[in-house]
Amino acid sequence: DAGITQSPRHKVTETGTPVTLRCHQTENHRYMYWYRQDPGHGLRLIHYSYGVKDTDKGEVSDGYSVSRSKTEDFLLTLESATSSQTSVYFCAIRGLAGALTDTQYFGPGTRLTVL
Amino acid sequence: QKEVEQNSGPLSVPEGAIASLNCTYSDRGSQSFFWYRQYSGKSPELIMFIYSNGDKEDGRFTAQLNKASQYVSLLIRDSQPSDSATYLCAVGRGNTPLVFGKGTRLSVIA
Repeated sequence: DAGITQSPRHKVTETGTPVTLRCHQTENHRYMYWYRQDPGHGLRLIHYSYGVKDTDKGEVSDGYSVSRSKTEDFLLTLESATSSQTSVYFCAIRGLAGALTDTQYFGPGTRLTVL
Repeated sequence: QKEVEQNSGPLSVPEGAIASLNCTYSDRGSQSFFWYRQYSGKSPELIMFIYSNGDKEDGRFTAQLNKASQYVSLLIRDSQPSDSATYLCAVGRGNTPLVFGKGTRLSVIA
């Protein structure tokens, strides 16, 4: 358990509404990531953060924005949700995998349905 | 574009057999290699990592790395029905985010 929580865990919303997903971590990790996972596409990186107020785009960032105003929270916002954004969203942090390397650990996920 | 390729499966093996999962990657500068297991409806969990050529064993799991061939594999010995899951290969380089394959679905038949 990497101390990651995501909220909400499930959400149903309507097309055109804004949606914000929250990722919270308790272990002061510098790097945080947002992924979406869809059948046939695997995990795709949306945005990531390498520190407070430091963020960068991933491969599928269109339609999404992020903010990180404090170390423990990384927010993902869909400004105007579309049906194509129906997905499972995973937050991840970067942590140690052994003495010489680190890796990414995932939160429990948020299942988002856009009607 | 950095790519990680996996056979999507499903790979079906009988209980007690060896399951062999394979992964190739395109970035020759890749430094670290990971296998995640993901049960249906759950998040991916790390099960193995390797960063040197050769084999690394952990219980029933063995990760194999061949950097010259840009190839990583995961062997699961004495496969159990509880091993049925999707296995994701991921590749890392420096501080950049991991690049994930799409996963191989493994089914262990009792």
